[in-house]
Amino acid sequence: ILNVEQSPQSLHVQEGDSTNFTCSFPSSNFYALHWYRWETAKSPEALFVMTLNGDEKKKGRISATLNTKEGYSYLYIKGSQPEDSATYLCACSNDYKLSFGAGTTVTVRA
Amino acid sequence: DADVTQTPRNRITKTGKRIMLECSQTKGHDRMYWYRQDPGLGLRLIYYSFDVKDINKGEISDGYSVSRQAQAKFSLSLESAIPNQTALYFCATSDGGAETQYFGPGTRLLVL
Repeated sequence: ILNVEQSPQSLHVQEGDSTNFTCSFPSSNFYALHWYRWETAKSPEALFVMTLNGDEKKKGRISATLNTKEGYSYLYIKGSQPEDSATYLCACSNDYKLSFGAGTTVTVRA
Repeated sequence: DADVTQTPRNRITKTGKRIMLECSQTKGHDRMYWYRQDPGLGLRLIYYSFDVKDINKGEISDGYSVSRQAQAKFSLSLESAIPNQTALYFCATSDGGAETQYFGPGTRLLVL
């Protein structure tokens, strides 16, 4: 089981503002880094999978970067909207299993 | 129709009772997983199965058992439920590769 940490635990964003938050993971034996979006009362849904150092992924207003050498990933939300309110989970895969962080809960205020 | 389903969605039981949570998938994936989620903690792996004949313990398997009845079905049992097993339980599937997992809707379990 890998130690995956996310910060902050929660944040509040005004509608229209941009924000970002961090996932830290062990840089040794790295295989892949996953981001999931989990809305209340729904299933976690995959956003991105990144494997290479320097990878950048984008889906709409959400993007992510990966630094495997120093063991961190950032997730960015540009121009936050109320529908972006969710818990964002990161997970590190190793030996075909995922180790999850505790998540960052984003609340977008209209 | 949902690709990964879980039954029941909510369950209240008493300490000492045996309870089974069921998971079915139509994605055709070989790999299936059971997680529990507690407030302030990440998803923690209970058991996982890479095919019908392969069952493996995860991070927190004590007090739980599983059965892989078919490629599409993976059940989690609590042999004698205790209050600290109150949690949200998720089933997930994957097809290997980069290991993206697809989650069911969750089962909310309360043990009194």
